[in-house]
Amino acid sequence: EAGVAQSPRYKIIEKRQSVAFWCNPISGHATLYWYQQILGQGPKLLIQFQNNGVVDDSQLPKDRFSAERLKGVDSTLKIQPAKLEDSAVYLCASNPMAGQGSTDTQYFGPGTRLTVL
Amino acid sequence: AQTVTQSQPEMSVQEAETVTLSCTYDTSESDYYLFWYKQPPSRQMILVIRQEAYKQQNATENRFSVNFQKAAKSFSLKISDSQLGDAAMYFCAYRFFGNEKLTFGTGTRLTIIP
Repeated sequence: EAGVAQSPRYKIIEKRQSVAFWCNPISGHATLYWYQQILGQGPKLLIQFQNNGVVDDSQLPKDRFSAERLKGVDSTLKIQPAKLEDSAVYLCASNPMAGQGSTDTQYFGPGTRLTVL
Repeated sequence: AQTVTQSQPEMSVQEAETVTLSCTYDTSESDYYLFWYKQPPSRQMILVIRQEAYKQQNATENRFSVNFQKAAKSFSLKISDSQLGDAAMYFCAYRFFGNEKLTFGTGTRLTIIP
């Protein structure tokens, strides 16, 4: 079974530019997550999708970050405009079960390392 | 709000020896899950072990085991017969039963000394 795919693996941009990250979850996984991992910290959830609907985006900086999951499969996370403090690894994860109380594990992709200069 | 604390930023152990990584958490919930994830330099988070809070028996996966103390809100990871491939960042994580949001600690960097 193929794992969670993410691209690009690395991205360097200037502040105030825009950037987009792509995630393809494991086939059939209903739930998809985007995490931000700043150097020296644990991952922090930005947004959770269940199929193509948003379940939790309470920690997404909506003035500059946006995410979508078209057709309940692939997802794109966008930052516009980027700030220096957005430098981090952006991790995508997926989970096979939809709904609350799932015991299933989140499977993570390799992440995208973003550097904002 | 739930918080997860890992008080050991770095640990090291001799190859083939045993090491214990500490984790404490704070929650007012009674039904939840606890996890240990491993993150090697490749950055991919890999599940090491999972514990359901309603289970009194400590989880075990081959060389990895946990010491779950619910009353003390403590969840330590023991790695036996440490191997070079165990070198990585280890993150403790909490998830309330009622949703799927993971809350992570700040991680412990484990070094294996040959």
